[in-house]
Amino acid sequence: EAGVTQFPSHSVIEKGQTVTLRCDPISGHDNLYWYRRVMGKEIKFLLHFVKESKQDESGMPNNRFLAERTGGTYSTLKVQPAELEDSGVYFCASSRGELALTGEQFFGPGTRLTVL
Amino acid sequence: AQSVTQLDSHVSVSEGTPVLLRCNYSSSYSPSLFWYVQHPNKGLQLLLKYTSAATLVKGINGFEAEFKKSETSFHLTKPSAHMSDAAEYFCVVSDQGGSEKLVFGKGTKLTVNP
Repeated sequence: EAGVTQFPSHSVIEKGQTVTLRCDPISGHDNLYWYRRVMGKEIKFLLHFVKESKQDESGMPNNRFLAERTGGTYSTLKVQPAELEDSGVYFCASSRGELALTGEQFFGPGTRLTVL
Repeated sequence: AQSVTQLDSHVSVSEGTPVLLRCNYSSSYSPSLFWYVQHPNKGLQLLLKYTSAATLVKGINGFEAEFKKSETSFHLTKPSAHMSDAAEYFCVVSDQGGSEKLVFGKGTKLTVNP
């Protein structure tokens, strides 16, 4: 079974540009999560999808971030326009069901975003 | 609100000696607690989890952790470190109040010296 995959692995852009990160969850996993680790800080929750619906987007930092999951399969996270403080590692995770039932979120390797 | 404190940002041990990575948590509900590990250029991998069953939890690769409610601690231990254990370790809490959100500690980088 393939794990969670993320693309690209690295992205370097200039301030003001747009970047789109992609996450492919494990096949059959309805729950998809985005997290972010800014340099020197802890990994923080951004949002949670169940299929194509946003269940919890309380961690999204501002309206420059847009997450989508059309069709309930892969997800994209767009940052537009990117700012310097958006630099960090963006992790995607997936799970088959609710955490209380499945007990685990499976994480991808992350996308390292650098905004210059 | 839940929070996690990992007391050491870096831990260095010699191969074959015990490992202790410390974690304290704060949670309004009965928490679920996890330890994840991240090796370089890899995703986060679940080591073990506590979800209100046995307080001593055994995980993969010889790691275990003990949930101590009175001390609000969930320290990770291993009797004998191996070179392949060198990685960053994260203590994570999720409340059982229905939230799917994981709350991470800042991580502890483990170095294993030959």
